[in-house]
Amino acid sequence: GAVVSQHPSRVICKSGTSVKIECRSLDFQATTMFWYRQFPKQSLMLMATSNEGSKATYEQGVEKDKFLINHASLTLSTLTVTSAHPEDSSFYICSAPTRLGETQYFGPGTRLLVL
Amino acid sequence: KQEVTQIPAALSVPEGENLVLNCSFTDSAIYNLQWFRQDPGKGLTSLLLIQSSQREQTSGRLNASLDKSSGRSTLYIAASQPGDSATYLCAPENTGNQFYFGTGTSLTVIP
Repeated sequence: GAVVSQHPSRVICKSGTSVKIECRSLDFQATTMFWYRQFPKQSLMLMATSNEGSKATYEQGVEKDKFLINHASLTLSTLTVTSAHPEDSSFYICSAPTRLGETQYFGPGTRLLVL
Repeated sequence: KQEVTQIPAALSVPEGENLVLNCSFTDSAIYNLQWFRQDPGKGLTSLLLIQSSQREQTSGRLNASLDKSSGRSTLYIAASQPGDSATYLCAPENTGNQFYFGTGTSLTVIP
């Protein structure tokens, strides 16, 4: 079946550095991908909608200049956490619906720890 | 904005019991609703998907119902097993394919 992968699965970085997380749809094309994050003991929250060939749309309260999203191809969206701080430590997960939107697949997630 | 509430927040039951997890959502204009399982530190596993036109779906020991008009869904787990221990998330999906998640029900099944 269709699979969505994320890379890396886990990353530890120093405060102030930037971290890039990749989300790939492996055997289907996704014009739209979604990015979610989950803080400890909290619910998954939608951060932004990544649109192939156009700008991402961000949920209220999510800083677009801090969380850069690039959806350069029909199978890849990247989320870059710029100037990461400890409060950005979270579990980031992406999802991609199939072209008709009838099914959506979630990536395995990326755990980010900022020291 | 869609608000999702799951009750109870935590549940501990002895092995073999049947149990019901509840989910309510505020916006009934949904495309479908999914129930997911999340193990500690892991991603999501889709358990059941109910389309907005359906009232229930079954898979093995799991049965999910949907009352779209009242904004409610339930997940019924029959004959619970220790391996069922996990957090269960209810997530309505809007017509833009965006999911809104509840805070989950943390289930512990005691052997």
